[in-house]
Amino acid sequence: GNSVTQMEGPVTLSEEAFLTINCTYTATGYPSLFWYVQYPGEGLQLLLKATKADDKGSNKGFEATYRKETTSFHLEKGSVQVSDSAVYFCALSEGYGQNFVFGPGTRLSVLP
Amino acid sequence: DVKVTQSSRYLVKRTGEKVFLECVQDMDHENMFWYRQDPGLGLRLIYFSYDVKMKEKGDIPEGYSVSREKKERFSLILESASTNQTSMYLCASSPTRRLQNIQYFGAGTRLSVL
Repeated sequence: GNSVTQMEGPVTLSEEAFLTINCTYTATGYPSLFWYVQYPGEGLQLLLKATKADDKGSNKGFEATYRKETTSFHLEKGSVQVSDSAVYFCALSEGYGQNFVFGPGTRLSVLP
Repeated sequence: DVKVTQSSRYLVKRTGEKVFLECVQDMDHENMFWYRQDPGLGLRLIYFSYDVKMKEKGDIPEGYSVSREKKERFSLILESASTNQTSMYLCASSPTRRLQNIQYFGAGTRLSVL
């Protein structure tokens, strides 16, 4: 079956540091890939997505590129802020919306 | 903007009580989901529904049931609450539309069973 693996953290960085959170996936077909973010006490919000190979999703300074050859969708940001402290979930979806798989989440703490 | 609304942010119940968690979405989405989120375990799917009156078990359905009488509303029911059901519960909805099948989440209900 489909699965998502991501570094579990926690990841602790200083403000303005470079961020990478690794995500790899296993899927039988051609999934769409997502990064969601969860701020403390809140539900999940879509951060970015990519629907086909070599697509780059981007939002709020975060980027991720759909790499089919390495089955990866790593999240990057050039300069993190304290306000980026949250839990980040990598996810995939195939078909018509019923089959969604989430990674375990990575907690990011950014220190001033 | 899509809005998924969960009826309560915080809920405290006693062991053995029947508990209803309500979720409403305003985007005419076909699919709705209930997850629970626990530290170290990530999101686990309890049930989902792909149409009115239709439901499918997820990974951890034991101790839960669901109801979907109207397209916009999906209820999670704890028939007899137990302390191991203390958790954060997240509702989500998504359209049945290839390449647009984003899940939209509510703010969550933090349930404590005493």
